[in-house]
Amino acid sequence: DAGITQSPRHKVTETGTPVTLRCHQTENHRYMYWYRQDPGHGLRLIHYSYGVKDTDKGEVSDGYSVSRSKTEDFLLTLESATSSQTSVYFCAISSMGPRDGNEQFFGPGTRLTVL
Amino acid sequence: SQQGEEDPQALSIQEGENATMNCSYKTSINNLQWYRQNSGRGLVHLILIRSNEREKHSGRLRVTLDTSKKSSSLLITASRAADTASYFCATGTGTASKLTFGTGTRLQVTL
Repeated sequence: DAGITQSPRHKVTETGTPVTLRCHQTENHRYMYWYRQDPGHGLRLIHYSYGVKDTDKGEVSDGYSVSRSKTEDFLLTLESATSSQTSVYFCAISSMGPRDGNEQFFGPGTRLTVL
Repeated sequence: SQQGEEDPQALSIQEGENATMNCSYKTSINNLQWYRQNSGRGLVHLILIRSNEREKHSGRLRVTLDTSKKSSSLLITASRAADTASYFCATGTGTASKLTFGTGTRLQVTL
């Protein structure tokens, strides 16, 4: 999958606990994205990064934070997990922003269940 | 809210038939992309069409774009069982470095 890995692949956690998901790329791409996928909603952007230490919010960013201290790693943190954050989370990378028309490559996903 | 909305939500056809999926969007775009997702997997990029293009081909895929109607269609010709998947359109807009995805069309191709 274009040199993108996500960890963990599956996680079950309890309400109120912090959770960190990791996205790691070996492509040296500038842009990285976190999406969540839920039935009936398609993919919704949580946060994205356009460079090291440069991040911005997507459409569903409440309750999530991100960090990018290295080109290859983009971390998504659920500060205090809630049941509404039960979802499948996908990381994606791109060498150019969508404005410039380049495609995104997706990781295999992380299935998170919050009890 | 979603920028793109696919139609139909689900489509079932027989192998060898053509499959057409439509995508409508709300605001001006720079480009529109189509992705495929097999069950339990990440999305895979299929094709990109820019706002100044009207039609594009890639193998058995044909994409059209009508910016006046804010709509796009994806045609898969001579479908195969392996084409069974969900298909999503995604739009790139303005100065934002992000894509907005639709809710997808589930395609089932039977033998």
